[in-house]
Amino acid sequence: GAVVSQHPSWVICKSGTSVKIECRSLDFQATTMFWYRQFPKQSLMLMATSNEGSKATYEQGVEKDKFLINHASLTLSTLTVTSAHPEDSSFYICSAVSGTSTYEQYFGPGTRLTVT
Amino acid sequence: AQKVTQAQTEISVVEKEDVTLDCVYETRDTTYYLFWYKQPPSGELVFLIRRNSFDEQNEISGRYSWNFQKSTSSFNFTITASQVVDSAVYFCALSGGIQGAQKLVFGQGTRLTINP
Repeated sequence: GAVVSQHPSWVICKSGTSVKIECRSLDFQATTMFWYRQFPKQSLMLMATSNEGSKATYEQGVEKDKFLINHASLTLSTLTVTSAHPEDSSFYICSAVSGTSTYEQYFGPGTRLTVT
Repeated sequence: AQKVTQAQTEISVVEKEDVTLDCVYETRDTTYYLFWYKQPPSGELVFLIRRNSFDEQNEISGRYSWNFQKSTSSFNFTITASQVVDSAVYFCALSGGIQGAQKLVFGQGTRLTINP
């Protein structure tokens, strides 16, 4: 149980285009989802906290107009990177928290974004 | 503010050696959780252990063991008789509070290489 999927697993896009990444909890309802970003050989940094049915809360320094997060249902959150640039190339990882166990985060496999 | 420090950036040992990965944390919360994750080259985070702040008992799971000491704010991880498959980046992480889902603060990670 407690499986989180991400789609796509990797994506290459051209500079200036937008790309959407999906995060799904497959066998539980996720009241909260987190989006992390990891640059090569660096740690994971939280970008935003996504709660179902409400606006996402962004960490300091993360542009909310560039990284659009939508948590429209209890099993799906999406991250859209708008007008992507090469510096947005990174590994994006989501995690989902079950409503019954708020300290347990289940991580997705990650999405590798390359902007050319 | 919460902070996790993994002072060892890289460790390289020969197979069958024991190796300890250090983790020191800072938090003002009285209730918090500590985690260790393994990140193999595939990128997917593998959960290893969770400890809450009220449980200082050391834990052993096969070749893995963890030493939690509140007095020194440390949560160290030891691999006994290391194997090549243990090669990965290991992250220590911290989440705090008891109200709702809490974001994870990650350490910088320790890249462990086990040489045959």
